[in-house]
Amino acid sequence: EAQVTQNPRYLITVTGKKLTVTCSQNMNHEYMSWYRQDPGLGLRQIYYSMNVEVTDKGDVPEGYKVSRKEKRNFPLILESPSPNQTSLYFCASSLDPQGVGTEAFFGQGTRLTVV
Amino acid sequence: KQEVTQIPAALSVPEGENLVLNCSFTDSAIYNLQWFRQDPGKGLTSLLLIQSSQREQTSGRLNASLDKSSGRSTLYIAASQPGDSATYLCAVPGGTALIFGKGTTLSVSS
Repeated sequence: EAQVTQNPRYLITVTGKKLTVTCSQNMNHEYMSWYRQDPGLGLRQIYYSMNVEVTDKGDVPEGYKVSRKEKRNFPLILESPSPNQTSLYFCASSLDPQGVGTEAFFGQGTRLTVV
Repeated sequence: KQEVTQIPAALSVPEGENLVLNCSFTDSAIYNLQWFRQDPGKGLTSLLLIQSSQREQTSGRLNASLDKSSGRSTLYIAASQPGDSATYLCAVPGGTALIFGKGTTLSVSS
């Protein structure tokens, strides 16, 4: 089954404790991306990647890091989480390296709470 | 800068009713438009993708239309069911990201 898998689904952590949210896709997609969803603000892009070792900032990259060492994986790293990073996070992938010409597939989301 | 608007923000209908969800966008130069469904505690599920060269796309009881010139898309749901209750989001490409509307939350009562 074609899918984007995120882990963990739920996470409560304390301010400053480094964490990683994993994302994996099994569709051999070139493009992967991270979004956060907040009430009243909708979905906003954090980072994206057009291919292995090619990553770039989205609209809200501050406080986040990513890496793309393998085509299927695109982890999101919070080096020093703060309460304003409490949010619902989504990983997405699509075949088109630009991320705009083909259907986008999303993971099930990670609910992160930073206290 | 591309902006996407969805009206209404919430909609309640009785089971069996046909309904239309609206999506508008400010920049008509789009590659495609995608409709998603979001259930509480679950991810975003792609419902339909309409390419810019298409005017309609159908999947089961769902029909999405696209009018690029007017910057509008509609999602028509026929014979609504309680299981259709969810938030529906539309999105268009903007640079290398998808630009989402804030969604319409649909509640179908039995």
